[in-house]
Amino acid sequence: QVQLQESGPGLVKPSETLSLSCTVSGASISSYYWSWIRQPPGKGLEWIGFISYSGSTNYNPSLKSRVTMSVDTSKNQFSLKLTSVTAADTAVYYCARGSPKPDNWGQGTLVTVSS
Amino acid sequence: EVVMTQSPATLSVSPGERATLSCRASQSVSSNLAWYQQKPGQAPRLLMFGASTRATGIPARFSGSGSGTEFTLTISSLQSEDFAFYSCQQYNNWPPTFGQGTKVEIK
Repeated sequence: QVQLQESGPGLVKPSETLSLSCTVSGASISSYYWSWIRQPPGKGLEWIGFISYSGSTNYNPSLKSRVTMSVDTSKNQFSLKLTSVTAADTAVYYCARGSPKPDNWGQGTLVTVSS
Repeated sequence: EVVMTQSPATLSVSPGERATLSCRASQSVSSNLAWYQQKPGQAPRLLMFGASTRATGIPARFSGSGSGTEFTLTISSLQSEDFAFYSCQQYNNWPPTFGQGTKVEIK
């Protein structure tokens, strides 16, 4: 059974960089695309982007200038960095397997941007 | 980007009754439409893709229909575990976009 688990700081200061990792168990990261999706409080889901095991990426144009995704096949992990965060980046961040219709999701981690 | 609009925002239904959820796209997305179920504290679950194909392990009481700009998710006889939040998503155009969701609650 595939499981994904997000990890990272739950609180980030404005203008700093949000960094999250997703550890995959039950499946090799050297297959599939791997995605990040977020959900601000009280709002709908928003696609951030995806990465392949080889490192090719595709980001949401609205976030592209601030987003970097990477993959570490030795750890079966992939990661998200979002720079210059503001309060608008406060959200539950999900990692997921697959793109554009992920079939396995992590439970999500709340990241709050506040000083 | 394609704007997805779901209605109603909240649907109150009695157990055993039928629930019909709507999703509208601001432009045609063909049949490239998925539905997800979310419960508090749980990972979202893919229910449907290709507008009408059930994902692995999804019960037959869930059905999807539509193409172009109008889509429907129907739950034929609501079970207790079906009371949740449902989101539609188009993946015909980049970036994929989601609706604001419909909460299905117990009447």
